[in-house]
Amino acid sequence: GAVVSQHPSRVICKSGTSVKIECRSLDFQATTMFWYRQFPKQSLMLMATSNEGSKATYEQGVEKDKFLINHASLTLSTLTVTSAHPEDSSFYICSTYRGGRTDTQYFGPGTRLTVL
Amino acid sequence: AQKVTQAQTEISVVEKEDVTLDCVYETRDTTYYLFWYKQPPSGELVFLIRRNSFDEQNEISGRYSWNFQKSTSSFNFTITASQVVDSAVYFCALSEAGGHQFYFGTGTSLTVIP
Repeated sequence: GAVVSQHPSRVICKSGTSVKIECRSLDFQATTMFWYRQFPKQSLMLMATSNEGSKATYEQGVEKDKFLINHASLTLSTLTVTSAHPEDSSFYICSTYRGGRTDTQYFGPGTRLTVL
Repeated sequence: AQKVTQAQTEISVVEKEDVTLDCVYETRDTTYYLFWYKQPPSGELVFLIRRNSFDEQNEISGRYSWNFQKSTSSFNFTITASQVVDSAVYFCALSEAGGHQFYFGTGTSLTVIP
């Protein structure tokens, strides 16, 4: 069964509005989650690493004031795209990290954001 | 520097043909993990395999097989007797021990023609 869920799966919004995407770890407590962005026909680009109870770590070139990440619990991380613009339209994917023997990332089904 | 290279951007094969997707990686770590994921048109990444750097045994799972060669830093993926449902984008990824970050290749888009 699914290990990671994302909600919503698809969202269309007007330019200037904010959109919140939720990422939930279903099977285990995830102290670390990751947020990726994928443009059409391109690879996944890591945006930020979300750590439970602390500030997220953003990759170079990613605006932390535009992409707000909150990891308030061990099973939930949220990504808020603030004042969205058409160029923010993309496929956003979250993942959770499970260490130990598995040492693997489990990916959510993704959220397709379209900003009109 | 690109840590994972998938030189094949797009591949088309006729159904029932075998196809190999190449993956070359770069790392200075002695402990690392290699992955293959399938991304169908729906977008969800489907985990296919995880291999650690100490296990060079080749693996077969049904029509899928993987060839891990540390000497050439390659982790190639072969689909035998391809089917239309295999059409997808396939990503190779590297994870270095001690870090959670995945380094994805640029992906290979496979189209299987009926």
